[in-house]
Amino acid sequence: DAGVIQSPRHEVTEMGQEVTLRCKPISGHDYLFWYRQTMMRGLELLIYFNNNVPIDDSGMPEDRFSAKMPNASFSTLKIQPSEPRDSAVYFCASSILGTGNTIYFGEGSWLTVV
Amino acid sequence: GDSVTQMEGPVTLSEEAFLTINCTYTATGYPSLFWYVQYPGEGLQLLLKATKADDKGSNKGFEATYRKETTSFHLEKGSVQVSDSAVYFCALTGGYNKLIFGAGTRLAVHP
Repeated sequence: DAGVIQSPRHEVTEMGQEVTLRCKPISGHDYLFWYRQTMMRGLELLIYFNNNVPIDDSGMPEDRFSAKMPNASFSTLKIQPSEPRDSAVYFCASSILGTGNTIYFGEGSWLTVV
Repeated sequence: GDSVTQMEGPVTLSEEAFLTINCTYTATGYPSLFWYVQYPGEGLQLLLKATKADDKGSNKGFEATYRKETTSFHLEKGSVQVSDSAVYFCALTGGYNKLIFGAGTRLAVHP
């Protein structure tokens, strides 16, 4: 089975540009998570969805960040406008409801804003 | 709120040494506990998990036991290899299945 698929794997963009990160969760999973990883702050949960509905976006750093999940097989995380401090690895993950069910991670999108 | 605390790294060991990475947690209810591993340049992979008290998770020679009385889930391996060099994250599932991670512990194993 295919795992969580993220794109792009690597992106370098200039400050002020819009960045869109994409995620395809594992088929049948009803939870989707966006995490950000930096050296300074470690792994931070930005937002998560259940059945395509955002449940908790309290981790989204500011209004420049937005996330959508238009259907069960696709989600986007958008940064507009991007800033150098947004440089990080962004992970998408998915899981299925149930106690102890594993959350599976994609390989990450490595974003550099210059 | 729910939280995970794990020992700070880096942990530096020689090959075949015994490894312990401490992890303690604070949670309401009965969370599931996980160890994830991140190799250089890669994403996170599940290493092992335990879903209830006294369960032992094990994989690739690593093991951890869910200790409710001490709210701990320490990771151990009897003999580490150079290929085990990575960052290890302890985590628990909070409400709605979301994972709450510790800060991560970097392990470096030298020949």
